[in-house]
Amino acid sequence: DIQMTQSPSSLSASVGDRVTITCQASQDISNYLNWYQQKPGKAPKLLIYDASNLETGVPSRFSGSGSGTDFTFTISSLQPEDIATYYCQQYDNLPFFGGGTKVEIK
Amino acid sequence: QVQLQESGPGLVKPSQTLSLTCTVSGGSISSGGYYWSWIRQHPGKGLEWIGYIYYSGSTYYNPSLKSRVTISVDTSKNQFSLKLSSVTAADTAVYYCAREGGSYHEFDYWGQGTLVTVSS
Repeated sequence: DIQMTQSPSSLSASVGDRVTITCQASQDISNYLNWYQQKPGKAPKLLIYDASNLETGVPSRFSGSGSGTDFTFTISSLQPEDIATYYCQQYDNLPFFGGGTKVEIK
Repeated sequence: QVQLQESGPGLVKPSQTLSLTCTVSGGSISSGGYYWSWIRQHPGKGLEWIGYIYYSGSTYYNPSLKSRVTISVDTSKNQFSLKLSSVTAADTAVYYCAREGGSYHEFDYWGQGTLVTVSS
């Protein structure tokens, strides 16, 4: 099975800061990497698919990049409503999620 | 707009079978093109994919749960179901149903989730 290493597990940043989260796959998964946002008590919400494509309606301050084994998710300017846990999800025959990154406001 | 809604008992006794149903509206399971999934989240923890089913009945399961999981589909009711046998307290979690099926196997629609507690 492919292992996904997501880091950091948590971070604290100020409003307006640039926030970066990484996911590393144990083997090449091409672009089969998606990112989700989960707010407390809610279901996850798809933000980015195909490593870098923004889901319809998602603000442009969210972005993703990478291919192969190394992927990055970025919030260009952190907003208070972005407080959530973010998950990467890979697909290689079967889908699996990364461990999550909890984003808090400093 | 596709909507998914989980239903089933919120409390299950240890060693029994957990049974949940997901009702899909705003789209037909039998139209194909998507996998209908179950995902769970232990309290305060991350997301764990359980398995999914295609409208034809083809199933794929997480190897770590495969021996205890059965997912089935009822296209006449536009529903799919999860059965997890021999449950223990470790199966206490919020269970989500979701649709998977974009070109990059993303989960684009989710139910609101239902908490299932395993306790005597």
